[in-house]
Amino acid sequence: AQKITQTQPGMFVQEKEAVTLDCTYDTSDQSYGLFWYKQPSSGEMIFLIYQGSYDEQNATEGRYSLNFQKARKSANLVISASQLGDSAMYFCAVSGNTGKLIFGQGTTLQVKP
Amino acid sequence: KAGVTQTPRYLIKTRGQQVTLSCSPISGHRSVSWYQQTPGQGLQFLFEYFSETQRNKGNFPGRFSGRQFSNSRSEMNVSTLELGDSALYLCASSPPRGTYTEAFFGQGTRLTVV
Repeated sequence: AQKITQTQPGMFVQEKEAVTLDCTYDTSDQSYGLFWYKQPSSGEMIFLIYQGSYDEQNATEGRYSLNFQKARKSANLVISASQLGDSAMYFCAVSGNTGKLIFGQGTTLQVKP
Repeated sequence: KAGVTQTPRYLIKTRGQQVTLSCSPISGHRSVSWYQQTPGQGLQFLFEYFSETQRNKGNFPGRFSGRQFSNSRSEMNVSTLELGDSALYLCASSPPRGTYTEAFFGQGTRLTVV
C-alpha cells in the first residue's frame, strides 16, 4: 500500500521569496517515483517535477527543486523566487509497481505581493 | 504538440442518469488513466488503460467503467448517477517508457449531479 502525507493545508509566501512544501510518503515498493503537480483554480493538473527512488541527485526543474531524503521518506518541493502565478494547490504523488499515482491531500499556496 | 483534451468541460446530470466522458491523450501516448477529485476524498485513481486493455483498477463500484479505442482515445462511463458522483474527473496520459513516467493531465470534466 502507498500513502502520501502533506501536513500543510495552506501556506503563505512573500513574492520573490523561497518556499518549501512538505511531503512524506509510505510505500512497500522497492522502486518508485515521486511527483509534484500544481493545480490552479482552472482545475488542470500541471506536472512540475519527478524524482526516482534510485536517483542519487535531487531533481531540479527551473525554479522547482525536490529535496529527496529517502531514509526519512521525505520529498519536499522547494520553489525559489516565488511569483504571483505560483498561487495554486500543490499535490505530491507516488507511483509504484502498478504505475498509478497516489496523491496527498494537497497544500494551498498563496503568494503575497 | 496538443495536450490532453477532455470533453465536455462541464456537465450537469440528474440522479439516475448515465454519463460518458471523453479523453484524447497526447499523440503517441498509449496509457490513459482516470482520476476522480472531490473536496472530501481528494484525488482517487479510477482506472488505467493501455493499448485498449484495462491494466489497473481503483476501488470504485461497477457503475464506473471505461474503455480505450485503437487510437488511444478513452471514454469513461458512469451509470445510475448518485449525488456523490459530483466531482472533477481528470484524465491523464503517459508516454510509453518505463513505469514511473510523469502523467500529463487534461483540464478535467466537472460533473454536477442534481
